[in-house]
Amino acid sequence: DTGVSQDPRHKITKRGQNVTFRCDPISEHNRLYWYRQTLGQGPEFLTYFQNEAQLEKSRLLSDRFSAERPKGSFSTLEIQRTEQGDSAMYLCASSRSGEQYFGPGTRLTVT
Amino acid sequence: AQRVTQPEKLLSVFKGAPVELKCNYSYSGSPELFWYVQYSRQRLQLLLRHISRESIKGFTADLNKGETSFHLKKPFAQEEDSAMYYCALITSYDKVIFGPGTSLSVIP
Repeated sequence: DTGVSQDPRHKITKRGQNVTFRCDPISEHNRLYWYRQTLGQGPEFLTYFQNEAQLEKSRLLSDRFSAERPKGSFSTLEIQRTEQGDSAMYLCASSRSGEQYFGPGTRLTVT
Repeated sequence: AQRVTQPEKLLSVFKGAPVELKCNYSYSGSPELFWYVQYSRQRLQLLLRHISRESIKGFTADLNKGETSFHLKKPFAQEEDSAMYYCALITSYDKVIFGPGTSLSVIP
């Protein structure tokens, strides 16, 4: 499977803990996106990389959230001091231009 | 403000009946619009984009700038069309704004 992959697929954590998610994009794609999706809503944009540069961050991305794409390939999204409101599906997508290809998502549950 | 609205959270139609999923947008620039679909237990995938003006799986969508709409239509619904449909707008910075989605259920 040469599509976008995400790891882990599911994460259960206790409030206050830190979590990190990984996204591996399609290899020739230079653009990488993170989204958050809660029940009954469409995906909400969090941040966007072109190669290793983080070009845009949503105001949804509080100081507890940080994303990196150190070599312009895979990306990580870290949430520090998790809160129950962080429980959601975190989606990653990649593209060359236009159409975005989505990963299966990481479902985070904060207890 | 940049926004995409889909007024129907749920839509049920009988097999063989026409279906229309509504989408309206608010965007100050020249919009590029998409429809994404998510079948049960599958990842989100592109269904069609307005600039290609193509029909995918029998679905079409026409951009109406006057009404700021991009409704998705199919003349004869099939059971395999049952899925979650998201209308989306891409901004000049390739940021995608999704609507809340419409769950389509095709009744056999």
